[in-house]
Amino acid sequence: DGGITQSPKYLFRKEGQNVTLSCEQNLNHDAMYWYRQDPGQGLRLIYYSQIVNDFQKGDIAEGYSVSREKKESFPLTVTSAQKNPTAFYLCASSSGTSGVADTQYFGPGTRLTVL
Amino acid sequence: QQPVQSPQAVILREGEDAVINCSSSKALYSVHWYRQKHGEAPVFLMILLKGGEQKGHEKISASFNEKKQQSSLYLTASQLSYSGTYFCGTGPAGGYQKVTFGTGTKLQVIP
Repeated sequence: DGGITQSPKYLFRKEGQNVTLSCEQNLNHDAMYWYRQDPGQGLRLIYYSQIVNDFQKGDIAEGYSVSREKKESFPLTVTSAQKNPTAFYLCASSSGTSGVADTQYFGPGTRLTVL
Repeated sequence: QQPVQSPQAVILREGEDAVINCSSSKALYSVHWYRQKHGEAPVFLMILLKGGEQKGHEKISASFNEKKQQSSLYLTASQLSYSGTYFCGTGPAGGYQKVTFGTGTKLQVIP
C-alpha cells in the first residue's frame, strides 16, 4: 500500500539535544512538507521541498533543519536552538505538479516531548 | 496569514446539520478541507478550485465564493463519525504559493 510513514510515534528528549524525525513516502511524490501542530494553532509550515536536493523555509523554520537527498525521504532535525520544541509534528507529501492545487497527504505524526 | 475559521467549536446531536466557514484576506486559487481525529493525521475531504464546481459527497459538501475569498463546509445529517477537528487550507492565487491552514473547528457529535 502507498503511503507516508513517520517514526517514531512518540519521542522523548532532554533539553539541549538535537533530535531527528523520520518521514518516508512511497507515493512517488515530488513535494514534501513538515508541519508543527500545537493546541489551538492549527498546522504551521516548517519546511517544504519541491524536488530532491532543494528545500525552502516555511513560516516557522527557526531552530529546525531538513535534508532531501532522496525523493522518498525528508527528515527533520529539531535543534537545540528551537526554544519550545514540544509539539506534534506532521509530514505530508503531494505530487508537486499543481502547486496550491495539489492535495497533500499526511503521515501519522510524531509527538515530541522535550523534558 | 492564516485563514480564519468559524465557529471555533460546535456540538451537534446526531442527525443535525452544521456549517463551517473559512475566510481569507487574500485572493484564492484553492481551498482544501481536512478532518483530524485526536492524535491522528488529518484526512483529506475535498479540494475546491477557482472556477470549479461545488464539491461534495452525499452528506458532506463545500462551496467556494471566490469574490468573497470564503469557503463553507456543509455537514448534513451528522453522524458520530463526523466528530473531529476540521481544517481548511487556502492556496493564494498568483505564482507559486504555499497552502496555509486555519486554526481548526472542533466538531463533536453526540447521541
